[in-house]
Amino acid sequence: QVQLVESGGGVVQPGGSLRLSCAASGFTFSGDAMHWVRQAPGKGLEWAAIISKDGNVQYYADSVKGRFTISRDDSQNTLFLQMDNLRVEDTAMYYCGKDYRWLIDSWGQGTLVAVSS
Amino acid sequence: QSALTQPPSVSGSPGQSVTISCTGTTSDVGGYNRVSWYQQSPGTVPKLIIHEVNSRPSGVSHRFSGSKSGNTASLTISGLQADDEGDYYCASYRTDSTRVFGGGTRLTVL
Repeated sequence: QVQLVESGGGVVQPGGSLRLSCAASGFTFSGDAMHWVRQAPGKGLEWAAIISKDGNVQYYADSVKGRFTISRDDSQNTLFLQMDNLRVEDTAMYYCGKDYRWLIDSWGQGTLVAVSS
Repeated sequence: QSALTQPPSVSGSPGQSVTISCTGTTSDVGGYNRVSWYQQSPGTVPKLIIHEVNSRPSGVSHRFSGSKSGNTASLTISGLQADDEGDYYCASYRTDSTRVFGGGTRLTVL
């Protein structure tokens, strides 16, 4: 079955950087687009980014555009999210998700990012 | 990029039906049959319950159904059960190829 395991979260100061990873298994990783979605504490889901299955196309939410970069390594079945110039409002649980019919059908357990001075 | 509009909360008694609305624009909900619904119980990750407006993934109860009219999609839960309690989110594809979630609706089973 599909398994997605995020890692790389932690505490970082405003203006800092983090790189999240999502290890995928149980499906043909190279055959699916992949998403990052975040959820601030006690808040709703916010879509952040998507990368095409060939890795050539990326789209971002306005809130992260220019600061976050989504990428993938199909040889390692791994999805990444490079987060730069982090802000307090980026504090959230970050989930990776497998694309299905333009949206998401499988979710990881999430990795927590806290931006605080 | 505004979120889709959902009611903050709905409630119903066991056995009743409830409907949750999700309003967008012609650039998202109204423009495509690419709307999904997710259930998130407390402390858990979201679970896909409806995709492409009205399709149920394997294993999802027939009590969950979806529909769309114009710029508004709807999720109906019939025969409410206690374990239906939780947060429900809609999501849609957008014209600019981004995606957007609704603000979420808290379902309480009375």
